[in-house]
Amino acid sequence: GQNIDQPTEMTATEGAIVQINCTYQTSGFNGLFWYQQHAGEAPTFLSYNVLDGLEEKGRFSSFLSRSKGYSYLLLKELQMKDSASYLCAVRDKYNQGGKLIFGQGTELSVKP
Amino acid sequence: DTAVSQTPKYLVTQMGNDKSIKCEQNLGHDTMYWYKQDSKKFLKIMFSYNNKELIINETVPNRFSPKSPDKAHLNLHINSLELGDSAVYFCASSQTGEMVYGYTFGSGTRLTVV
Repeated sequence: GQNIDQPTEMTATEGAIVQINCTYQTSGFNGLFWYQQHAGEAPTFLSYNVLDGLEEKGRFSSFLSRSKGYSYLLLKELQMKDSASYLCAVRDKYNQGGKLIFGQGTELSVKP
Repeated sequence: DTAVSQTPKYLVTQMGNDKSIKCEQNLGHDTMYWYKQDSKKFLKIMFSYNNKELIINETVPNRFSPKSPDKAHLNLHINSLELGDSAVYFCASSQTGEMVYGYTFGSGTRLTVV
């Protein structure tokens, strides 16, 4: 079956660092994505990992361990505007038949 | 602007009606998708088209019928709407072999069936 788990909610303080974890069990694997979704808006692409290791993009970093079925999104120097839902998604196939399978999202609240 | 655009943004309709949602992308992508986001914010794939060909058809009631007139457009028609169809429907697109750029989502259509 397909299963992607992430915490439902997290709270952090402005200026701090927060790590959002994601574990997955899928029938196939061709990359893991992180998306940010503000309330009432479309998901926006943050990062893509297909090989093990850390990908850094400004204040955001994403890590992948394929052997452990595990990823995390690291947000540094948190800002109030980072309050949003963070979605972990796995692409299950390489070819055109591949689809994104999403976790339920982690609602992050950044407090002053 | 380069984007995935869908219309309408909001749709309120009565049970039993038939409605359509339209989607267009000008990113030159070869694959388009419909996703449904329920009240718990869980995003689930419904359909996918690659160059106008249906390649993914998840377990969706046959009241839902997608149509892709060309690779830049993917529409969704829903017959005999039910209360449980209330959700936000997102169109998305991607380019085969360019996953490093991810999937691009439209702004969503919030469908409310009353």
